[in-house]
Amino acid sequence: EAEVAQSPRYKITEKSQAVAFWCDPISGHATLYWYRQILGQGPELLVQFQDESVVDDSQLPKDRFSAERLKGVDSTLKIQPAELGDSAMYLCASQGGSQRYNEQFFGPGTRLTVL
Amino acid sequence: AQSVTQPDIHITVSEGASLELRCNYSYGATPYLFWYVQSPGQGLQLLLKYFSGDTLVQGIKGFEAEFKRSQSSFNLRKPSVHWSDAAEYFCAVGANGNKLVFGAGTILRVKS
Repeated sequence: EAEVAQSPRYKITEKSQAVAFWCDPISGHATLYWYRQILGQGPELLVQFQDESVVDDSQLPKDRFSAERLKGVDSTLKIQPAELGDSAMYLCASQGGSQRYNEQFFGPGTRLTVL
Repeated sequence: AQSVTQPDIHITVSEGASLELRCNYSYGATPYLFWYVQSPGQGLQLLLKYFSGDTLVQGIKGFEAEFKRSQSSFNLRKPSVHWSDAAEYFCAVGANGNKLVFGAGTILRVKS
């Protein structure tokens, strides 16, 4: 069964350091999402890609966060510099098809701890 | 703006007992509604979704949900809970541009 892959699964870093997360969506899925899930809260969308283009990054803190999907396949989310408040689970999801609100398939996430 | 409220942070039920998880949404038009489940250390899995039509929706793992427009609710139910259902459950509403807005989640504990 096809799955969304994410790495690393866990990352511990010190504040002011740079971190990067990688996501490989299900093959053929044109839409890719990055969510941040703070402990005790639901996932919150950071950025949405359609192929290689950003569709929505209104909630992405652009002073420190960046995301790219250069070839419209896998994606990288970067934080530089990391802050204590960035400690959270970062989830990637992919979606195929052209209908609205087709199922989003989630990866296992990367748990970031900033010390 | 779209929003989702899950009033219960934690719920504990006995194995074999029935379950109802509450979800209220705020959305101006006809909502697209979803329930996801998240087991510890894993991503979210879709249980069921409502787009239109029959207001009682059947999902995987024996779950169902009922859309009530008059109450702006989409509560999740299961007639008999199994220990393996212990997880965190998220209700979500489809917002502009195909994105999802999630509630804060309800943690389900199952006692034997």
